[in-house]
Amino acid sequence: KNQVEQSPQSLIILEGKNCTLQCNYTVSPFSNLRWYKQDTGRGPVSLTIMTFSENTKSNGRYTATLDADTKQSSLHITASQLSDSASYICVVSGQGNTPLVFGKGTRLSVIA
Amino acid sequence: DAGITQSPRHKVTETGTPVTLRCHQTENHRYMYWYRQDPGHGLRLIHYSYGVKDTDKGEVSDGYSVSRSKTEDFLLTLESATSSQTSVYFCAIVGQQNTEAFFGQGTRLTVV
Repeated sequence: KNQVEQSPQSLIILEGKNCTLQCNYTVSPFSNLRWYKQDTGRGPVSLTIMTFSENTKSNGRYTATLDADTKQSSLHITASQLSDSASYICVVSGQGNTPLVFGKGTRLSVIA
Repeated sequence: DAGITQSPRHKVTETGTPVTLRCHQTENHRYMYWYRQDPGHGLRLIHYSYGVKDTDKGEVSDGYSVSRSKTEDFLLTLESATSSQTSVYFCAIVGQQNTEAFFGQGTRLTVV
């Protein structure tokens, strides 16, 4: 069964600190992996998307890594800000008409 | 921003009444998805479409039906709403190359 598991489920960090979120998946055959940020009450917004051949991609203070061999991805947030408080969702796409597979997300709270 | 809109944005309805949610896109994307989001569950797939009149069930499809008679519109229908269908519903669109996915702002449905 195609699954995406994220950890931790929730995380609290101090403003200015770094953090890393994890995503493990079993989706096969693999097409791409995306990280989304979802603010409360809003739709998810894309941060990064990576295909099989990419192992690092950055978007400002967000850096995603992908290890397609171990089927693991991470999202590293540098110098966190209060506005980073949100849910971060890992989404994996298989090939063909297979639907997107979502993780349950990591709820990040950045406190002053 | 991608051209995707959901309507209505909020709805309160009574148990047993039919409800239809609309997802409209202006991107001419092939794939469209309906998800529901509940606390502790993340985004769960209800139905998806990979073309006009081509739809398939997701993991939580019971009690829901969909229709896609033209590329730009994907309708989600609750034939007889139940309280367990109280949720936030998100529509997503994905292009032919299965790359970027864009989400609508969500529809908050309350069944009383």
